[in-house]
Amino acid sequence: QSTLTQPRSVSGSPGQSVTISCTGTSSDISNYKYVSWYQQHPGKAPKFILYDVSKWPSGVPDRFSGSKSGNTASLTISGLQAEDEADYYCCSYTGIPGRPFVFGTGTEVTVL
Amino acid sequence: QVQLVQSGAELRNPGASVKVSCKASGYTFTNYHIHWVRQAPGQAPEWMGVFFSDGDTAYGQEFQGRVAMTRDTSTSTVYMELSSLRSEDTALYYCMREYALTYYFDYWGQGTLVTVSP
Repeated sequence: QSTLTQPRSVSGSPGQSVTISCTGTSSDISNYKYVSWYQQHPGKAPKFILYDVSKWPSGVPDRFSGSKSGNTASLTISGLQAEDEADYYCCSYTGIPGRPFVFGTGTEVTVL
Repeated sequence: QVQLVQSGAELRNPGASVKVSCKASGYTFTNYHIHWVRQAPGQAPEWMGVFFSDGDTAYGQEFQGRVAMTRDTSTSTVYMELSSLRSEDTALYYCMREYALTYYFDYWGQGTLVTVSP
């Protein structure tokens, strides 16, 4: 199973910023603008927070921002809040039949 | 409001099949694709396949020949059936919706735990 590589965990104090990297290959992130991010609280379904690398869906605060450089996408959470403590997953379109989407390994964000 | 509600947890013996449902509400059901992913403990989600809004399907290469997705428009439900189950299929299974070819999933079901154990 191919996956995108994320750090296992990151942490920060309230008000600080944290950045989560998501590293893929030339077959996915570097080839397409279709990177999305999902937040998952324990025992809950994932919630969609960014799409097309850096666009916000309605209702998502702009404390969450995204970027991409080469084969690495990044999610930055600014002004960290207690409710941001969750697991975060990236996802990229690959265009490969039979494997059109690949997900990241997930990052646990801890608010100290 | 948009909801995707999945069927409850399942326990199966190795070699058996399981059929998980995903009932949609709050939107025009046939305008969206429904995808399925699974997440084994401690692992990244893995894409399994999609039931397209036009009625076509596409399956992940790892699941070809073992997975089948169907739709019942009268109840706004998509089904995912996985056969020849083995212990490695123990995972949380999620359905998600995608609008047209936007390449993101804006709503997810709550997940269905499938446990494969003798």
